[in-house]
Amino acid sequence: DTGVSQDPRHKITKRGQNVTFRCDPISEHNRLYWYRQTLGQGPEFLTYFQNEAQLEKSRLLSDRFSAERPKGSFSTLEIQRTEQGDSAMYLCASSSPAGGINGYTFGSGTRLTVV
Amino acid sequence: DAKTTQPTSMDCAEGRAANLPCNHSTISGNEYVYWYRQIHSQGPQYIIHGLKNNETNEMASLIITEDRKSSTLILPHATLRDTAVYYCIVRVADRDDKIIFGKGTRLHILP
Repeated sequence: DTGVSQDPRHKITKRGQNVTFRCDPISEHNRLYWYRQTLGQGPEFLTYFQNEAQLEKSRLLSDRFSAERPKGSFSTLEIQRTEQGDSAMYLCASSSPAGGINGYTFGSGTRLTVV
Repeated sequence: DAKTTQPTSMDCAEGRAANLPCNHSTISGNEYVYWYRQIHSQGPQYIIHGLKNNETNEMASLIITEDRKSSTLILPHATLRDTAVYYCIVRVADRDDKIIFGKGTRLHILP
């Protein structure tokens, strides 16, 4: 297991299109987190799963955003009707059943550019 | 979670020790201090965490004051690859809560 994988690394899309990102966490990690990061800012929390259950969603996650983790393994984040303000780095992280006491492991992110 | 205060940016000469301060004056008794760093175009990377004792690992040392209101991350021999944004975070370690990031400290290692 080489860590948290995110796909694609880069995505350019036209405004109004739908996009979907994928995150594969570390296999024994049951917690999975999505963050968004814009230039010059720290990562902002979007949502969190424990196994397949989505336990918390930020107010940043508008109705156009949806996240799933259907089998408690990989997760997808979909953005519908993209807007230029959605341009950002989307980061995924996972943590162990120990509650993340040793920290989260982050992927390298998906950079979204909406033109 | 308690908030933290960090300088916006710092410079350090290559080969010297980089000392990154963090204030967390409202930290609760069950909250740990965590440090992450983020190298350009990568996701944040966990560095170290501690509760009240000083900690050391292969990456860094963490010094926490006795009153736990502040801490210092020490990179003993900084290299150019240590240029990154460093985030100091306080959180309860065994809860399911998300990590809340601030803006961190942008550390520039100068050749």
